[in-house]
Amino acid sequence: DVVLTQSPLSLAVTLGQPASISCRASQSLVHSDGSTYLNWFQQRPGQSPRRLIYKVSNRDSGVPDRFSGSGAGTDFTLKISRVEAEDVGVYYCMQATHWRTFGQGTKVEIK
Amino acid sequence: EVQLLESGGGLVQPGGSLKLSCAASGFTFRSYAMSWVRQAPGTGLEWVSSMRGSNSSSWYADSVKGRFTISRDNSKNTLYLLMNSLRVEDTAIYYCARTGDFDLWGQGTLVTVSS
Repeated sequence: DVVLTQSPLSLAVTLGQPASISCRASQSLVHSDGSTYLNWFQQRPGQSPRRLIYKVSNRDSGVPDRFSGSGAGTDFTLKISRVEAEDVGVYYCMQATHWRTFGQGTKVEIK
Repeated sequence: EVQLLESGGGLVQPGGSLKLSCAASGFTFRSYAMSWVRQAPGTGLEWVSSMRGSNSSSWYADSVKGRFTISRDNSKNTLYLLMNSLRVEDTAIYYCARTGDFDLWGQGTLVTVSS
């Protein structure tokens, strides 16, 4: 099974400052079709998860452009350019190249 | 409005069974693969099962293989998860999600397995 390791597991950020979350895979996430199926999800307190980013760097409809995804192979990053209060929650990476696995989650709080 | 609405959760004893439902609306249900994802209390997310739109193929996590069965009724726009031989460790919120990339989620239904 592919293991996704997120870091840090917890992040306290000042409003308006950037935040960055790393997701490292135990093997390459490049599919045989050439695509890399690495997604990012946000789960606000008390809510269902919501997909933010698909295939590494594509933002879902309605997702603010302060969220961006990057990476290749086994190393991926979610960046929030300027953290807002509504960004508090847990962020998960997920790979869909080799079945489906999630990272452990990164909790984002306001400092 | 595009939405997914789960139901059927509850309290069940170890070894018991439960059937979850997910009613879809606002999109062409039969055109999409659908999935179940669960979240144990205070923990992360775990993919459980997925099924193609045409009912032709289904897949399961090793942790539920042989005990859970995913199915769908495209005429009713509804996805199901039949859970047999339930264990304490199956206690979780069960979410219905659209596609294998989980681009849309329901609000979840809580399943508690306890004696």
